[in-house]
Amino acid sequence: QKEVEQDPGPLSVPEGAIVSLNCTYSNSAFQYFMWYRQYSRKGPELLMYTYSSGNKEDGRFTAQVDKSSKYISLFIRDSQPSDSATYLCAMSGTGFQKLVFGTGTRLLVSP
Amino acid sequence: SAVISQKPSRDICQRGTSLTIQCQVDSQVTMMFWYRQQPGQSLTLIATANQGSEATYESGFVIDKFPISRPNLTFSTLTVSNMSPEDSSIYLCSVETGRNTEAFFGQGTRLTVV
Repeated sequence: QKEVEQDPGPLSVPEGAIVSLNCTYSNSAFQYFMWYRQYSRKGPELLMYTYSSGNKEDGRFTAQVDKSSKYISLFIRDSQPSDSATYLCAMSGTGFQKLVFGTGTRLLVSP
Repeated sequence: SAVISQKPSRDICQRGTSLTIQCQVDSQVTMMFWYRQQPGQSLTLIATANQGSEATYESGFVIDKFPISRPNLTFSTLTVSNMSPEDSSIYLCSVETGRNTEAFFGQGTRLTVV
């Protein structure tokens, strides 16, 4: 069993839709939970991160962590075609030093 | 922030040969890492590049196959040795600046072994 599971998609939505991306994990030692966005032929870039449980909001993006269920989510409101990318969840017990990634979910937002 | 430059951006190599990938950062950083992104697979940490000492490898990765150098706080190389088609992947350099608030990634090196 992988430490981090993520549905690879692709997930296709119309512009303006609310998008929900999710990951589950098995390692209870994870304390840091990140979401990265990766455009084609580019390196991942950090969208947001959460330490321990709870919610965090940044503009159209909201990250949620439920440690009791070992489940994290990223919500994108009012999705735009420019949001089309692969979204990677990542986790760590030691901050940003050794990240364990999901496989990534490919998101396609159509105009 | 940190700007990372990786070279080459892509290469096609013959099996049995070796390729060295360079990672240059525009500022001194505490931690440098090398990841592999195989087709359809998750980004996987290969090793932590330690300045002035041997790299620390993750389970399943060995120095003979992936020798790493880090001569200073802004530069590192990863060599993929004795390549086989299974080594076809994207290799990414990552840095953590010491503030533990973000890890930055290079654009990756897309390697195809034929």
